[in-house]
Amino acid sequence: AQKITQTQPGMFVQEKEAVTLDCTYDTSDPSYGLFWYKQPSSGEMIFLIYQGSYDQQNATEGRYSLNFQKARKSANLVISASQLGDSAMYFCAMRGWGGKLIFGQGTELSVKP
Amino acid sequence: EAGVAQSPRYKIIEKRQSVAFWCNPISGHATLYWYQQILGQGPKLLIQFQNNGVVDDSQLPKDRFSAERLKGVDSTLKIQPAKLEDSAVYLCASSLSQDSNQPQHFGDGTRLSIL
Repeated sequence: AQKITQTQPGMFVQEKEAVTLDCTYDTSDPSYGLFWYKQPSSGEMIFLIYQGSYDQQNATEGRYSLNFQKARKSANLVISASQLGDSAMYFCAMRGWGGKLIFGQGTELSVKP
Repeated sequence: EAGVAQSPRYKIIEKRQSVAFWCNPISGHATLYWYQQILGQGPKLLIQFQNNGVVDDSQLPKDRFSAERLKGVDSTLKIQPAKLEDSAVYLCASSLSQDSNQPQHFGDGTRLSIL
């Protein structure tokens, strides 16, 4: 069975600093995708970044990067130069072929001015 | 490109009433999903369509929930009769295909409150 674990219910970060949100996963599928989504208080789920299980390099998208450690089954999200607008819930999710997204419980990030 | 469209945005009903949600996916996206997100939790898949066929409805409470995607484009999700525990946000998502590297793009969701 596939499982995603986010152990940080809430995180605080000072504006302009970097923050790492943790995510570990468990799967027996050799091929899978890992995703991070942002959910502001307004409710929409915004796709941030994707990492494939066979990708050799860590994914980056602007201020977002994914620290992928396959042997440790971790896929941490790093947000650099935090902004007030980054305050939101962040969900890590995993997907195999044909499969649904399995989501973690989420981490609520608060950026302090 | 236009995103995933959902309506209504909010709905309040009493228990035992019925309710329906509508979703129009991104143009060209073959795969459509309905998720239920209870407050404080991550979304949970209810049903997945590939074109107009059901791929996975293992977590859909079929005694009260139904969904269809008759022409392989837009979709409706219905609850009849509603229970208090159905209070949640219902999210529709779509993706180009079922491949694991394809991100799912979500609509704004319908926030359902059962009184």
